[in-house]
Formats: sequence, structure tokens, C-alpha cells
Amino acid sequence: DAGITQSPRYKITETGRQVTLMCHQTWSHSYMFWYRQDLGHGLRLIYYSAAADITDKGEVPDGYVVSRSKTENFPLTLESATRSQTSVYFCASSKQGPTEAFFGQGTRLTVV
Amino acid sequence: EDQVTQSPEALRLQEGESSSLNCSYTVSGLRGLFWYRQDPGKGPEFLFTLYSAGEEKEKERLKATLTKKESFLHITAPKPEDSATYLCAVQAQGGGNKLTFGTGTQLKVEL
Repeated sequence: DAGITQSPRYKITETGRQVTLMCHQTWSHSYMFWYRQDLGHGLRLIYYSAAADITDKGEVPDGYVVSRSKTENFPLTLESATRSQTSVYFCASSKQGPTEAFFGQGTRLTVV
Repeated sequence: EDQVTQSPEALRLQEGESSSLNCSYTVSGLRGLFWYRQDPGKGPEFLFTLYSAGEEKEKERLKATLTKKESFLHITAPKPEDSATYLCAVQAQGGGNKLTFGTGTQLKVEL
């Protein structure tokens, strides 16, 4: 199916475990982004990528790792999950920059 | 530090009752202001980009306007399907690919 998909939609993990959230887009967009959304905060940028093999930190990158070996995939890894990383995570893609980005459905992550 | 404040936090309208949502921003230099719609359990959906004061954009019952300090999203004769959370974000000059988002206005349109 065309579009941007995230998996899993829901995940519960324990403190200290490593967890990877997946993001796949079929448009061959150059830019991909990871945001987190928490009550009381607007969406905050974690990491972004301008092209395959090019990634850069956003506003809240600590505790997260990204990679982009292929244009269509942009996984986000929490190396050692903490309760403060409980959040809804959104992946987005665009042709150019953060504007007019298409967002995935989100992954609700709970760290217990 | 860039800041975006949206008001009201929540708004309840009757079908056909027009109103406006406000987005006040503080940014060193505005590169662009963006409006998104977000339905429960879904990702944001892009609506508009505004670049300079005085600019207006329209889409169906929605019209976005921009001044040097704030943006308004005007909703004319809303329908229940317009119920959603509306998000505003700004991109600063020299801010790279970072958008600063507000916390949104939750709109409920009732029959």
C-alpha cells in the first residue's frame, strides 16, 4: 500500500530494554522525521534524515538512535528504554524539509 | 527560544456556528507557519503553510491568516466532521528542519 506506515502500533516494554520502532514510506521522499507527542507538549523532533545515510539530531535526541540505510526506511531505536520515553511516536516524510510532511499513524509506546 | 501558544485549548461549537482558533508565536525570524489537523489516534494532516504577514490560505470551510505575531484559523459554518485537534507550528529562519509546535486546540462541532 502506498503511504507511510509505522510498526508496531502499540508496544509495552520494560525499563532498560532495547526497542525499535519501524517506519516505512513508499513515496521515495528524501526527508524523514521522528517526533514524539506528549500531553502538555507540542510535537517535538527527535531525529531527522535528509537522505539515505544522512541523519541529524532534533530537539530531544538523547536516548535514541536512528539509521537510514535505505530511502524508504527510518527506524528509531531506544537503546535502553526509560519511563520518560513513554509517549506516542510519529514518523513523517516529505519531499523537502519539514513542511507539508505526511505523518504515519503513530506508535504508542509504554515503558513500565 | 521559539514559542507557540494556541488558544483556546478546547472549543465546542454548534454546527454552522463560525469561530476562530488562535496561534500566537514568538520566533527570531519567521520562515513559515503551518497548520495541521489531527484526528484521535492518527497522525497530523497538513493543512496550510503561510510565509508572510497578510497572507491568507483557504480550503473548504477553513481559512488561515497570518500577522507578525499570530495566525488565525477561521472555521466558517463548521460541520461535525470538522471536529479534530488543530495544531500550529512555526519554522524559524536559521532553524534548519526544526518545527516548534503548539499544543493544539481541540474542536468539537455538535449537531
